[in-house]
Amino acid sequence: EAQVTQNPRYLITVTGKKLTVTCSQNMNHEYMSWYRQDPGLGLRQIYYSMNVEVTDKGDVPEGYKVSRKEKRNFPLILESPSPNQTSLYFCASSLVVDQPQHFGDGTRLSIL
Amino acid sequence: GQNIDQPTEMTATEGAIVQINCTYQTSGFNGLFWYQQHAGEAPTFLSYNVLDGLEEKGRFSSFLSRSKGYSYLLLKELQMKDSASYLCAVRGNSNSGYALNFGKGTSLLVTP
Repeated sequence: EAQVTQNPRYLITVTGKKLTVTCSQNMNHEYMSWYRQDPGLGLRQIYYSMNVEVTDKGDVPEGYKVSRKEKRNFPLILESPSPNQTSLYFCASSLVVDQPQHFGDGTRLSIL
Repeated sequence: GQNIDQPTEMTATEGAIVQINCTYQTSGFNGLFWYQQHAGEAPTFLSYNVLDGLEEKGRFSSFLSRSKGYSYLLLKELQMKDSASYLCAVRGNSNSGYALNFGKGTSLLVTP
């Protein structure tokens, strides 16, 4: 089944403790992206990747890192999480940049 | 950057037609997407416009005018299950970066 898989789905952690949210797609898509969704602010793009080893900043990259060492994986790294990064996070992928994105089920992060 | 505006909330009656507008200001344009998002779920793709005009897909249609920076999503024969948030998203081009910027979404309530 074609899908985008994020892990974990839920996480409660504390300020400053490094965490990684994994994202994997099995559709051989080139374009991958991370978003955060907050009430009243909508979906905002954090980082995106046009292909392996090619990443670029979205609207709200501060406090986040990404890597794209393989085509299928696009992990989101929070080196030193802070409470303002408490949010619902979505990973998405598309075949190429101008194709519709398939979204993962979301990861709800709470940072205390 | 991109500025994308949509109404925050709309209400319509089952069986009726509703039009959700989206206006955008962008330094580079490479297409406009509409997504549907039910509460607690991931967004799902509805339509994509890159050229001016109307794209029809069953009960859903989307229109684009690039010169006016305007799009709308038309939902016909509304059903209760159409109650959801509708997200307008604009894709940048090579000049402005290939980010995908979302509006804050329009929450549609369909009433009996």
